[in-house]
Amino acid sequence: AQKITQTQPGMFVQEKEAVTLDCTYDTSDQSYGLFWYKQPSSGEMIFLIYQGSYDEQNATEGRYSLNFQKARKSANLVISASQLGDSAMYFCAMRGTGNQFYFGTGTSLTVIP
Amino acid sequence: NAGVMQNPRHLVRRRGQEARLRCSPVKGHSHVYWYRQLPEEGLKFMVYLQKENIIDESGMPKERFSAEFPKEGPSILRIQQVVRGDSAAYFCASSPRTGTIAKNIQYFGAGTRLSVL
Repeated sequence: AQKITQTQPGMFVQEKEAVTLDCTYDTSDQSYGLFWYKQPSSGEMIFLIYQGSYDEQNATEGRYSLNFQKARKSANLVISASQLGDSAMYFCAMRGTGNQFYFGTGTSLTVIP
Repeated sequence: NAGVMQNPRHLVRRRGQEARLRCSPVKGHSHVYWYRQLPEEGLKFMVYLQKENIIDESGMPKERFSAEFPKEGPSILRIQQVVRGDSAAYFCASSPRTGTIAKNIQYFGAGTRLSVL
């Protein structure tokens, strides 16, 4: 069975600081992908970053990077130089060999000026 | 975002009525997914469709819910005889292809918020 766990319901970070949002996963698939999505208060789901299970390097997209530790089954999102517009819900998701994404319960990030 | 259009954004129905949610995928995408999000929860998969075919409906309730993706026009998620427990945000996502591994990013629409009175 596939499972995504996000253990931080809420996080606060000072503007311009870095923050790490935790995500652990469980899967029996050998090949899988890990994703992070941002959901601002307006409700849409915005794709941020992807990491493949066979990728040797951690993914980076601008201020977003994914700290992928395969042995620990963790895929933490690091946001550097936080901005006020980063305040949102953040969801970790996984797709294995099947058709669907599995989502965690999300982390609410608040950036403090 | 990548242009998945969902309408309406908000839908209010009384118990027993029908709800029809529409989703137009990104131009060129032939794969559509529907998810449901309850308050304080992540998204839960409902159904995966390609043009004129339901590929995987393992997350769909057995009764009252149906989905289609016709050759022409948007994908439709239909909920018949709605109940209060159907109140949720329903998201549609599209992707250009499917594969065994996931660098097949799903792009999401803004969702339809269904409220059942």
